[in-house]
Amino acid sequence: DSGVTQTPKHLITATGQRVTLRCSPRSGDLSVYWYQQSLDQGLQFLIHYYNGEERAKGNILERFSAQQFPDLHSELNLSSLELGDSALYFCASSLTTGGNTGELFFGEGSRLTVL
Amino acid sequence: DAKTTQPTSMDCAEGRAANLPCNHSTISGNEYVYWYRQIHSQGPQYIIHGLKNNETNEMASLIITEDRKSSTLILPHATLRDTAVYYCIVRVGRGADGLTFGKGTHLIIQP
Repeated sequence: DSGVTQTPKHLITATGQRVTLRCSPRSGDLSVYWYQQSLDQGLQFLIHYYNGEERAKGNILERFSAQQFPDLHSELNLSSLELGDSALYFCASSLTTGGNTGELFFGEGSRLTVL
Repeated sequence: DAKTTQPTSMDCAEGRAANLPCNHSTISGNEYVYWYRQIHSQGPQYIIHGLKNNETNEMASLIITEDRKSSTLILPHATLRDTAVYYCIVRVGRGADGLTFGKGTHLIIQP
């Protein structure tokens, strides 16, 4: 158990809809990272928040957005969903930006299926 | 971050040492070598990291060549539960960007 909690574990929705994925980082961790893993793309970095502020963006679509709240939990919002958005979405946390050792702790993921 | 090259897949017999190679010939002086693994559809798991010296922890050993252009992850006594995709990543230790995962090596432990 990494200490990172993601909800929901599974989500099935239709094209055009909007969903919100939630992540609670490990206690004390200030950084939250979001990743997308689809069959053909592998693990893709989406975005990084540190203590409520956006620190880095990766391959995140404009239809996607994220935020980190004062209690440090984070939400990833996916809108106007397309079939190709079906994927596993992972959240990871670390104590600082990149962590003192660069070690990230990953949650078990949220599996999104868009029909 | 420097790019890495890993074999697509490897087999290893249960109980034997699994040696996973990684080439990172363009690594910079301030970049660390990290290893993560992902057991089928679970979240990636940190294994070990190093800068110059060889490292060992309860999970594995990391051997980095003197020129730092390649490294080897060693699982000393592989078990069936070590079957996973192993990712070698190089990056600066405190970079804000997320880790860049390549395709990794699919290690299959054979009974």
